[in-house]
Amino acid sequence: AQTVTQSQPEMSVQEAETVTLSCTYDTSESDYYLFWYKQPPSRQMILVIRQEAYKQQNATENRFSVNFQKAAKSFSLKISDSQLGDAAMYFCAYRSADGNKLVFGAGTILRVKS
Amino acid sequence: DTGVSQDPRHKITKRGQNVTFRCDPISEHNRLYWYRQTLGQGPEFLTYFQNEAQLEKSRLLSDRFSAERPKGSFSTLEIQRTEQGDSAMYLCASSLVSLTGGIQETQYFGPGTRLLVL
Repeated sequence: AQTVTQSQPEMSVQEAETVTLSCTYDTSESDYYLFWYKQPPSRQMILVIRQEAYKQQNATENRFSVNFQKAAKSFSLKISDSQLGDAAMYFCAYRSADGNKLVFGAGTILRVKS
Repeated sequence: DTGVSQDPRHKITKRGQNVTFRCDPISEHNRLYWYRQTLGQGPEFLTYFQNEAQLEKSRLLSDRFSAERPKGSFSTLEIQRTEQGDSAMYLCASSLVSLTGGIQETQYFGPGTRLLVL
């Protein structure tokens, strides 16, 4: 079974600075998808960024980018120019290419200081 | 696009009572998922539907839990004889899967129903 590990329960970043959230996963599959979701306090979870495992190029979405290291089974999220609105719980998630359900990590709480 | 909606947003019940939650997916989405999230943890998969067919159920879904999606649109999740361990956030997500291509869908989540069993 696939597992996703987020080793940082909590992170802090100064407004306008850069922060990196870590995620590792375990799988024997070669084709899969990886996601970062953001869950603000008392608000619904929204997709931040996704990465297809067959793509070597790291995904980027505006201030959000990933560092996907397939051999190391690592998928970190970098947030540049952090804003107060980035404060949330961030979840890393895995899905098999031919699967359906998402497998989530335990999450990392990101605090942004002004 | 009104997004995924869930009702109620909060539910407090006494142990042993039955509860039912509703999820309305994004209108054109053919897949609907239920997840459970306990405090400080990531969501855990419970079950999912492709149109009206329930295709997979997690071991977490005991026989006290039942889910339906009768017309392939909204879904209900019922918990019978609730226990304190059922207290959690119940999340619904939906997605659109192409029937001609591979599974590249992104799941969109609703705001969740927070259940507290006293």
